[in-house]
Amino acid sequence: DIVMTQSPDSLAVSLGERATINCKSSQSLFYSPTKTNYLAWFQQKPGQPPKLLIYWASTRESGVPDRFSGSGSGTDFTLTISSLQAEDVAVYYCQQYYSTPRTFGQGTKVEIK
Amino acid sequence: QVQLVQSGAEVKKPGASVKFSCKASGFTFTTYAVHWVRQAPGQRLEWMGWIKPGNGDTRYSQQFQGRVTITRDTSASTAYMELSSLRSEDTAVYYCAREFQGGDHYYYYMDVWGKGTTVTVSS
Repeated sequence: DIVMTQSPDSLAVSLGERATINCKSSQSLFYSPTKTNYLAWFQQKPGQPPKLLIYWASTRESGVPDRFSGSGSGTDFTLTISSLQAEDVAVYYCQQYYSTPRTFGQGTKVEIK
Repeated sequence: QVQLVQSGAEVKKPGASVKFSCKASGFTFTTYAVHWVRQAPGQRLEWMGWIKPGNGDTRYSQQFQGRVTITRDTSASTAYMELSSLRSEDTAVYYCAREFQGGDHYYYYMDVWGKGTTVTVSS
């Protein structure tokens, strides 16, 4: 199974400041024939299901604000919130869909400082 | 609109079974695989298995092999998951999510999720 490890476990950021979450996979998520990384990012608020933010490591889902961006390739990925808003308080998960079983990171809790 | 509507909360005793439903609407059910993912209190999301409604193919996590069965009723656009031999550690929220099948990629991301079904296992 591919192990997904996020860092940090939690972070507190001032409103308007940048938040950066890292995700590392135990094996490469890059598939050469399609030149894509099989990695997604989700946002989960209390009492709600996960919401897709980013797929193919860097493609923003329709309707997701452009302050959210994803980057990285292979085994190292980053989710960046360029200017944190109050409504961004949530837990963020990375997930690989390169292989089955699908696996998720342990989550990163983002709070307001 | 596109949605997955899940069945209501359940309370079960240890050793019992529970069967969840996940009804799709707003899209062609057989074009998407349906995953089941659970989340125990304070824990990470945990993949349990999936079904491809078009042909009924299933795949299960090793962790749940033998205890989980996923089925579908294409006429009702509904996927089901049954979990047996329940124990207290199965107390969790269970989600279904869809994944597109076809196109240029062999797998896709889970883009639409149900609201989840809470299961409490307690004697």
